[in-house]
Amino acid sequence: DGGITQSPKYLFRKEGQNVTLSCEQNLNHDAMYWYRQDPGQGLRLIYYSQIVNDFQKGDIAEGYSVSREKKESFPLTVTSAQKNPTAFYLCASRAGTSGYNEQFFGPGTRLTVL
Amino acid sequence: ELKVEQNPLFLSMQEGKNYTIYCNYSTTSDRLYWYRQDPGKSLESLFVLLSNGAVKQEGRLMASLDTKARLSTLHITAAVHDLSATYFCAVDPISNFGNEKLTFGTGTRLTIIP
Repeated sequence: DGGITQSPKYLFRKEGQNVTLSCEQNLNHDAMYWYRQDPGQGLRLIYYSQIVNDFQKGDIAEGYSVSREKKESFPLTVTSAQKNPTAFYLCASRAGTSGYNEQFFGPGTRLTVL
Repeated sequence: ELKVEQNPLFLSMQEGKNYTIYCNYSTTSDRLYWYRQDPGKSLESLFVLLSNGAVKQEGRLMASLDTKARLSTLHITAAVHDLSATYFCAVDPISNFGNEKLTFGTGTRLTIIP
């Protein structure tokens, strides 16, 4: 089965800790994205990557970091610099670079700061 | 800055009724996407609209795009309870060609009442 997996499904973090959210896709998609969703809100773009070893900041990149060492993997680290990290995090991927393909989403990781 | 506005934000409707959700955006684009999100779940792709006048239908949902008016509509026909969800539109501006960054609307929370 082709798809996007995210782990863990639920994550609890103590203040001051860094945590890493996993995103893996076996769709052979070129582009990958990280979004944050707060309760009752829309999606905000954190980081995105069009190709391996390259990524760009989205609208709310402060306090987050990413890497793209493999085409199928795009992990997101939530650092201690992110002051309000409690949210639902969604990873997405898209085929090609023509700009005419939809994004497909993973199941999400719900992060809670204790 | 691209703005994507949906209305209404909340919609309660009776089963069997028809209604339309509107998505307005502030910049030139011929690429618009509709997604559905169930509570606590990820986003599911519904429609991809890639040209002026595009119309897509799936079951009781029909989406259309008017690029001149910068408007997309999602029409619900004879609503059933299973359609209760939050619906998001997302726009990719022309200027982003080859470097797709979607901007999402705030979502419309639809509740179908028996």
